[in-house]
Amino acid sequence: KAGVTQTPRYLIKTRGQQVTLSCSPISGHRSVSWYQQTPGQGLQFLFEYFSETQRNKGNFPGRFSGRQFSNSRSEMNVSTLELGDSALYLCASSSLPGTDIQETQYFGPGTRLLVL
Amino acid sequence: KNQVEQSPQSLIILEGKNCTLQCNYTVSPFSNLRWYKQDTGRGPVSLTIMTFSENTKSNGRYTATLDADTKQSSLHITASQLSDSASYICVVSANGYSTLTFGKGTMLLVSP
Repeated sequence: KAGVTQTPRYLIKTRGQQVTLSCSPISGHRSVSWYQQTPGQGLQFLFEYFSETQRNKGNFPGRFSGRQFSNSRSEMNVSTLELGDSALYLCASSSLPGTDIQETQYFGPGTRLLVL
Repeated sequence: KNQVEQSPQSLIILEGKNCTLQCNYTVSPFSNLRWYKQDTGRGPVSLTIMTFSENTKSNGRYTATLDADTKQSSLHITASQLSDSASYICVVSANGYSTLTFGKGTMLLVSP
């Protein structure tokens, strides 16, 4: 069974630009969550989608948005990029939504975004 | 405020030795606690998930313990191998909120 895939793996953008990242979950998984990882803040939750609906959102500005398609693939968009958005963006999939259950999340390799 | 604190920040041990990583949390109401292993340049991989009623859970050479009264968890690695060199992240889920609070991780280096 193929794991979680994320594209692109690396990306360089300049301030003010926008970026779209893609995540394909494990086949059969309908829940996709996105996380931002930086050396200073560690891992932080962005949002979670299940069956094309956003179920939960972390404490990030409105410049961060996402969506999920009918095939469970998900995209994350960041508009008006700032230097502080440089980070590793991880997505994770699971068969059921929510992390208040004993449901294992499977992480992708991440997209490393550098904003210049 | 929900917080997860991990110690030590980094650790170097010799191959074959055992080590224990610590995690203290203030997340409430508590749902479950997870330990992840993250190799450099890769996404985290789940090691264990424990609920309130579980004291110990093992995954091969990894054994996690949970004391819900003191809000502490530990991850014990037995007979360390070079491939255990990674960051180990403690993550706590709050009941009913579907969000995770992450620790900053412990960077483990196993030296030959």
